[in-house]
Amino acid sequence: DAKTTQPNSMESNEEEPVHLPCNHSTISGTDYIHWYRQLPSQGPEYVIHGLTSNVNNRMASLAIAEDRKSSTLILHRATLRDAAVYYCILREVQGAQKLVFGQGTRLTINP
Amino acid sequence: DVKVTQSSRYLVKRTGEKVFLECVQDMDHENMFWYRQDPGLGLRLIYFSYDVKMKEKGDIPEGYSVSREKKERFSLILESASTNQTSMYLCASSPRVRNYNEQFFGPGTRLTVL
Repeated sequence: DAKTTQPNSMESNEEEPVHLPCNHSTISGTDYIHWYRQLPSQGPEYVIHGLTSNVNNRMASLAIAEDRKSSTLILHRATLRDAAVYYCILREVQGAQKLVFGQGTRLTINP
Repeated sequence: DVKVTQSSRYLVKRTGEKVFLECVQDMDHENMFWYRQDPGLGLRLIYFSYDVKMKEKGDIPEGYSVSREKKERFSLILESASTNQTSMYLCASSPRVRNYNEQFFGPGTRLTVL
């Protein structure tokens, strides 16, 4: 499984945008980039995924570098409820449909 | 809403006991997964199943077994619980459709083995 690197922690203020970076320099051409988050005392929840193009959904945006060796999850206007651990995961199209979670980034939102 | 439910939020067992963790999903998903989560180690896959009566070992299957007799239910079994199996156990499910593999997680079971 290709590896991802994320900062251990980040901090932001409520109602400001948050940019969570992820490096994945060994990504292969068929790997999808997935983001999940885990709120305190809950199981992880899906946030967004993409392959090459930038993606938007109701929760966030995903910006993927042209060489695909890095990506950024963007929360446009953080709320206190966005405080969580955010995981960047590479998922192969072929093979087992498992997710390999790294350590993630612990995001703190200040009121 | 997709629902993945786990039989217990908290469980305390003694060393050597047989432990059953149950997971049920209501979205007719083909794939089901069992992970454990430990501080500093993240989530690690124990077993997964892509169909009834089918199972595949994940990254850390030792000391565990699973059962999938019905599509909606996936059980994790600790044949003889040990203290190093104290952990948070998370179940997940996903549809089999390729390229769309959002996994839906349950709330987790925090197991303590004394």
